[in-house]
Amino acid sequence: EAQVTQNPRYLITVTGKKLTVTCSQNMNHEYMSWYRQDPGLGLRQIYYSMNVEVTDKGDVPEGYKVSRKEKRNFPLILESPSPNQTSLYFCASSPLRAGIQYFGAGTRLSVL
Amino acid sequence: QKEVEQDPGPLSVPEGAIVSLNCTYSNSAFQYFMWYRQYSRKGPELLMYTYSSGNKEDGRFTAQVDKSSKYISLFIRDSQPSDSATYLCAMTGSNYQLIWGAGTKLIIKP
Repeated sequence: EAQVTQNPRYLITVTGKKLTVTCSQNMNHEYMSWYRQDPGLGLRQIYYSMNVEVTDKGDVPEGYKVSRKEKRNFPLILESPSPNQTSLYFCASSPLRAGIQYFGAGTRLSVL
Repeated sequence: QKEVEQDPGPLSVPEGAIVSLNCTYSNSAFQYFMWYRQYSRKGPELLMYTYSSGNKEDGRFTAQVDKSSKYISLFIRDSQPSDSATYLCAMTGSNYQLIWGAGTKLIIKP
């Protein structure tokens, strides 16, 4: 089954404790992206990658890191999480047909 | 002013009604227009995709784009309780970066 898989689905952590949210897609898509979704603010892009070893900042990259060492994986790293990073995070991939993106089920993160 | 404006709702209608969801935008370079549907606790999924102006129909759903007015719409006929979700509009030019509306929460009452 074609899908984007994120893990974990739920995560509660404390300020400053490094964490990684994994994202994997099995559709051989070049493009991958991370979003956060907050009430009233909609989806905001954190980082995106057009291909292996190519990453670019989105609208809200501060406090986040990404890497793209393999085509299928695009982990999101929070090196020192803060409470304002409490949010719902989505990973997405695209075959680079404009506008068509496939989303994971989401990771709900709480930073205490 | 946001590049894409979308009324967050909630919009509550009775089952069987025709639903109209709308977005306005400011960037005339946008060429691709999408509607995504997001159920509670799930990721968004692509519902409709339109290139440039015009209408596109898929079952009970019709997407309409008016580039002269910078206005897009999604119509849902014979609405069902299973259509209750948040509907997000999104659009892009040629760089594949999507600009999103805030989403409209739709509630269909049985």
